[in-house]
Amino acid sequence: GAVVSQHPSWVICKSGTSVKIECRSLDFQATTMFWYRQFPKQSLMLMATSNEGSKATYEQGVEKDKFLINHASLTLSTLTVTSAHPEDSSFYICSRAYQGASSGSADEQFFGPGTRLTVL
Amino acid sequence: TQLLEQSPQFLSIQEGENLTVYCNSSSVFSSLQWYRQEPGEGPVLLVTVVTGGEVKKLKRLTFQFGDARKDSSLHITAAQPGDTGLYLCAGATFTSGTYKYIFGTGTRLKVLA
Repeated sequence: GAVVSQHPSWVICKSGTSVKIECRSLDFQATTMFWYRQFPKQSLMLMATSNEGSKATYEQGVEKDKFLINHASLTLSTLTVTSAHPEDSSFYICSRAYQGASSGSADEQFFGPGTRLTVL
Repeated sequence: TQLLEQSPQFLSIQEGENLTVYCNSSSVFSSLQWYRQEPGEGPVLLVTVVTGGEVKKLKRLTFQFGDARKDSSLHITAAQPGDTGLYLCAGATFTSGTYKYIFGTGTRLKVLA
């Protein structure tokens, strides 16, 4: 079954509004979760690493004031797209990592189903 | 900036054919994962390779991690229409106590019946 959920699955909003996307780890506590963005027919681009109880770590080129990340509990991370514009329309996916028993010392990550954001 | 280049970008083949997808980087990764993604869904993990030179098999899929842990390949034998999808490799690096994952550019596979 799913180990990471996202809500909502899709959202359509007007330009200038803010949208919050939730990412929940359903089976394990997650001190670290990841947020990705994927444009049509492209690969995933890591936006930021969400750390429980501390500030998120943003990748180069990602505006932290525009993409607000809050990881207030061990099972929930939220991404808020502030003052959304049409160019923010994308597929947003979160993931969490845990020590994969099948992979030895490496962490594996499990992804949520994604949230499709369309900004009009 | 770490980059993972996948080739080919697009591949359209007939059912029953074999294919290989490559994932190359100049960076060393602590592990490398392969995912398959369907439209409108999140990626689904296929395999994780950790050791240089490691080979893993998953039914008709064979994954190999390069000796230097900079590259990987995915070979599909006797492809079926159900194999159609976007294949992504992702390299894991360990920095400041946290794993970070860099995704490859993706290979879009279409298997025709």
